[in-house]
Amino acid sequence: GQNIDQPTEMTATEGAIVQINCTYQTSGFNGLFWYQQHAGEAPTFLSYNVLDGLEEKGRFSSFLSRSKGYSYLLLKELQMKDSASYLCAVRSSGGYQKVTFGTGTKLQVIP
Amino acid sequence: DTGVSQDPRHKITKRGQNVTFRCDPISEHNRLYWYRQTLGQGPEFLTYFQNEAQLEKSRLLSDRFSAERPKGSFSTLEIQRTEQGDSAMYLCASAGTATYEQYFGPGTRLTVT
Repeated sequence: GQNIDQPTEMTATEGAIVQINCTYQTSGFNGLFWYQQHAGEAPTFLSYNVLDGLEEKGRFSSFLSRSKGYSYLLLKELQMKDSASYLCAVRSSGGYQKVTFGTGTKLQVIP
Repeated sequence: DTGVSQDPRHKITKRGQNVTFRCDPISEHNRLYWYRQTLGQGPEFLTYFQNEAQLEKSRLLSDRFSAERPKGSFSTLEIQRTEQGDSAMYLCASAGTATYEQYFGPGTRLTVT
């Protein structure tokens, strides 16, 4: 089965940097996603990591360590519009490409 | 490309009634997923289609739930004899062959009274 843990809530200041952690335990691993979800809206894709290391995409970066079952999402130069839930999701191995989501981290950016 | 669409956006029904939701994926996407999301939780996997074949169904899904994708294009999710516990946002997502990124629709919010 799959078990994904991430903090429930975080607060950070506009202009600052915040790191959202995700740990996972899976019976088979084939990649890790980060999605952003604003209240009342559908999730939108941020990043996908399948190999160890850091992937940078503008203000957002995502890191993966497969041996540790650990990932983080790094948000730089925080803006008020970054207030949202951030979902960590794991893609299982095998042919069916099932994706299991964590409960999400609700980030509040304050002035 | 108009993205993933879902219909209806909101549905209020009385307990015991049947409801059906529709999802139209991005046209060239062969993979289609249904999820259920309740407040404060992440999306919970319900079922997965590759083209018209339903390849996986969550063990959490009772027999009251059924999904189809008859021609490998749009999909429907039916809930029979709805219960108050079925109240949730039902999300559809699609993905192409070459990428793993899932594109989500706006969801159908179901309220069972």
